[in-house]
Amino acid sequence: DTGVSQDPRHKITKRGQNVTFRCDPISEHNRLYWYRQTLGQGPEFLTYFQNEAQLEKSRLLSDRFSAERPKGSFSTLEIQRTEQGDSAMYLCASSKWGWDRGSSGANVLTFGAGSRLTVL
Amino acid sequence: AQRVTQPEKLLSVFKGAPVELKCNYSYSGSPELFWYVQYSRQRLQLLLRHISRESIKGFTADLNKGETSFHLKKPFAQEEDSAMYYCALRPGIQGAQKLVFGQGTRLTINP
Repeated sequence: DTGVSQDPRHKITKRGQNVTFRCDPISEHNRLYWYRQTLGQGPEFLTYFQNEAQLEKSRLLSDRFSAERPKGSFSTLEIQRTEQGDSAMYLCASSKWGWDRGSSGANVLTFGAGSRLTVL
Repeated sequence: AQRVTQPEKLLSVFKGAPVELKCNYSYSGSPELFWYVQYSRQRLQLLLRHISRESIKGFTADLNKGETSFHLKKPFAQEEDSAMYYCALRPGIQGAQKLVFGQGTRLTINP
């Protein structure tokens, strides 16, 4: 297991096109998160899953954004009808949910390298 | 609503000097606080979390609930500490799982 994998690493698209990003979490992690990061800002929460259930979505996530985790393993984030304002780094993270004992590592997010989206 | 503020976007210190990266938060409950670090061309990674009470790479951070702060400190900076540092908050240890991040502080250690 090489950690959290994201694909593609960089996507350039024209305004109005659809794009899809994939995230493969650490295999034993049951929670998966999507964040968005724009230049000069910290990561902003978009949504997260526990297994295949999407438990929370940010109000930042417009109707053009949809995320799935159909089998509780990998996840996809699709952006329809892209706009220039969607240009950002899309980060995926995973964690193992558990009763937090501080040093156990439970509930600590491990991030992927990100998928950079450029909308022309 | 939860908010994390890192007042310094840029911080530059000389090697061997003490470092303090400031982090203030607003949250009415009992949060869990983290520091994440991103070295050049690497992914975001956990540096430390307040409930572990550990010192990682010489860094420590103490949660001050009275001042709602979680400042990151190191007594003697090293050049390899140059990186982007993010403070993050999770609302309640057994509560919501999402992390709320600050804007980050870029730390540069000068030789």
